Amino acid sequence: GQQVMQIPQYQHVQEGEDFTTYCNSSTTLSNIQWYKQRPGGHPVFLIQLVKSGEVKKQKRLTFQFGEAKKNSSLHITATQTTDVGTYFCAGVNTNAGKSTFGDGTTLTVKP
Amino acid sequence: SAVISQKPSRDICQRGTSLTIQCQVDSQVTMMFWYRQQPGQSLTLIATANQGSEATYESGFVIDKFPISRPNLTFSTLTVSNMSPEDSSIYLCSVSRDPNTGELFFGEGSRLTVL
Repeated sequence: GQQVMQIPQYQHVQEGEDFTTYCNSSTTLSNIQWYKQRPGGHPVFLIQLVKSGEVKKQKRLTFQFGEAKKNSSLHITATQTTDVGTYFCAGVNTNAGKSTFGDGTTLTVKP
Repeated sequence: SAVISQKPSRDICQRGTSLTIQCQVDSQVTMMFWYRQQPGQSLTLIATANQGSEATYESGFVIDKFPISRPNLTFSTLTVSNMSPEDSSIYLCSVSRDPNTGELFFGEGSRLTVL
């Protein structure tokens, strides 16, 4: 079945440093979604990428979808303590109508 | 967005017992899903709750262990049957309003501890 891998598993940064998490799928995706889960909270949808090579920005967050639609990345510029949490990518196979989540990258930020 | 209410929010259960988790959505939704998230782990899809018919289970999950009901477009239940400590986890109800985009909204989750 479809597998979605995410690296790194953990990332510790100093406030102000940049952060990137990478997501790779074993199969070509229809689209990819990114979620953020704060400690003790539930996943919250951030964004969806649909087109090959697509790049979207949300303030300090930049999301990219690979040309082959099998990989994606999330980059945070100048991290803040509010960025703390686990970031999950989720690959979507439209035929199945369901999302397969990556393992997540847990970000901690030292003030 | 969608407002999703799950209960119980947490429970401590004895081995061998069963517990039913309820999920109520503030408006009709097409797709409802049940996920499991073990401590420090990712989200694993248990099943898709289908309105008026049997749920569609993912590999490794069976109806006898995780019976699911979905009597209408706003409500679903997940039962964890004959629980063992390995079932200790957070169970999350999730909905998608648009089957084309697949954007998911999650409930707060039900944290189960099995002793």
